[in-house]
Amino acid sequence: EMQLLESGGGLVQPGESLRLSCATSGFTFTNYAMNWVRQAPGKGLEWVSGISGSAVNTFYADSVQGRFIISRDNSRNTLHLQMNSLRAEDTALYYCAKANDYWSFDLWGRGTQVTVSS
Amino acid sequence: DIQMTQSPSSLSASVGDRVTITCRASQSISPFLNWYQQPPGKAPKLLIYTVSTLQSGVPSRFSGSGSGTDFTLTISSLQPEDVGTYYCQQGYITLAWTFGQGTKVEIK
Repeated sequence: EMQLLESGGGLVQPGESLRLSCATSGFTFTNYAMNWVRQAPGKGLEWVSGISGSAVNTFYADSVQGRFIISRDNSRNTLHLQMNSLRAEDTALYYCAKANDYWSFDLWGRGTQVTVSS
Repeated sequence: DIQMTQSPSSLSASVGDRVTITCRASQSISPFLNWYQQPPGKAPKLLIYTVSTLQSGVPSRFSGSGSGTDFTLTISSLQPEDVGTYYCQQGYITLAWTFGQGTKVEIK
């Protein structure tokens, strides 16, 4: 069974850092682009960042460009998101999502909560 | 960025009703339009990809159509388990994806 399990969320102060992880299983990790999608409280979905299967290409939403770094460890089938200079508006539930061959998100984790507050 | 606009923002319908949700893109994105369902308190789930292809395991009462900039998600006979928020998403620009603002579906 294919699974994604996020971890690493928590409560931090503005300006601090946090590193999210997503453990994957049940599929050939290196074959697929992986992504982070977030959802602020009571709001819709926002794509945050993505990385190609080979890790050669990384992409970011304008809202996090220069502050977040996505990476993947293909030997451990794990996705990461390093979040620096966190702001209150980064408060959200962060989902890990697998992209399929048709550029849609066909597998989602349960999410990890990030709260940025003083 | 490509902007995605859904309508309505919410709807209330009776069990067995036919429900239609529309999604408009700010530029042509065919065929890279996807639909998701998010039940209350749960993670999103892929329903339809590339406009009209049903994801494995999704009931046949769900269907998608459209082209260019205008797309539609239809639930042919609304069921209680269909309650939740529905999102469209464009996959036209690789790894610069955007979602619609969502349509909340409730049972009357």
